[in-house]
Parts: sequence; structure tokens; C-alpha cells
Amino acid sequence: DAGITQSPRHKVTETGTPVTLRCHQTENHRYMYWYRQDPGHGLRLIHYSYGVKDTDKGEVSDGYSVSRSKTEDFLLTLESATSSQTSVYFCAIKPGTSGYEQYFGPGTRLTVT
Amino acid sequence: AQSVTQLGSHVSVSEGALVLLRCNYSSSVPPYLFWYVQYPNQGLQLLLKYTSAATLVKGINGFEAEFKKSETSFHLTKPSAHMSDAAEYFCAVSEPTGQNFVFGPGTRLSVLP
Repeated sequence: DAGITQSPRHKVTETGTPVTLRCHQTENHRYMYWYRQDPGHGLRLIHYSYGVKDTDKGEVSDGYSVSRSKTEDFLLTLESATSSQTSVYFCAIKPGTSGYEQYFGPGTRLTVT
Repeated sequence: AQSVTQLGSHVSVSEGALVLLRCNYSSSVPPYLFWYVQYPNQGLQLLLKYTSAATLVKGINGFEAEFKKSETSFHLTKPSAHMSDAAEYFCAVSEPTGQNFVFGPGTRLSVLP
């Protein structure tokens, strides 16, 4: 258990509304990531953070923004949700010790109607 | 750039039979390689990792994988499938720095009684 929680776990929202997903970790890891999972695509990186207020774009960042004002929290915002953003969103951390593997939260299932 | 292919989006085996899930990667630098498992409605759990030490890597739940540089492969095996192994399996590759962590599309494993 990497001490990662995500909220909400499920959300249904309407097209055009803003949505914020939260990832919270308890172990002060520097690196945090947001992915989306869609059938046939595996996981694709949206944004990542390498420290407080330090973030960068991933492969599928269009339509998403992130913020990290505290080490423990990494927020993903959909400014104006679209149906193509219906997906399962996973947060991950990288401990930074040997191996460089990532550990994942339980996910948030987002449906945009 | 890193990339991962997984041959077979769905693999079925009988309980007690050999499990073989295929992963091939492309990397311009010596890779780190990972296998993750995802049970329904859960996050991803690390099964095993290769980080340039022994080429045969043992993981949890009786799984193992062999890194073959000449074949650019990192196939996952288990001698005898259990019903509890039914899940989706993802292969991933990263650079030794931990950058460019890329997932394959996944293989769903079904175990038949």
C-alpha cells in the first residue's frame, strides 16, 4: 500500500462543466503522476509533478490542467469537460528509490454525459 | 522514444496450464521493464521489475519474466494458472532515469475451469 487515495472514486458530470480530481499521498514522495486508462490504450500520461509547483505535460495533456501546492496533494482539473474525457483516471507516485517503479491509487471513474 | 507492444489483447488458459503473456519493447537506451496486474475495479499492482541486474526476474504470485535483449522482449510466465490470476496485465518500459514511463495496451487473462 503506497498510501495513495483518490477522490471522488466515481463522478458523473455534464459536458461543459469543470471537474477537479484529487490525489493525496501520505509519504512525501516528490514525483506524482496523472494517467487516464481507456480500453486498448493502456495507461497514458496526462501530467506529472516533480515537486511543489513543478509540473509538466504528458502525452495527452490537452484539456487538462494540474496544480500541486502541497507535497501531498496533486489536483487534476478538466476546465470544461467533454465526452471524450470519459475515462478512468489513476494517480501514481514514484518513490525515487532503486528501480523507478510507480505505485498507483485506486482510480476515479469519470463519466461525462 | 520508448514503446511497448503486447501480443494478444485477450489470452485464455485452462486452470493449471502455463501462462505466457508477451511483451516486446522499443527503447533507444537500456530499459527498465515492469509488469503490472490490474484486478477488476482496482488500481495497478506491481508484479515484478527488471532493472539491469539478473535477466530472469521473479515476482509475486508465482510469476516470473525474462529479459532478452536480442529479442527486445520481456515475456511474463507462470507455470500453473490459478483462477485468481484472471486479470488484466500491463507491461511498461522506462528509461533508467525513470523518465518516459510508457505502458503497453494490456492483455486480459481469462482462466477457464
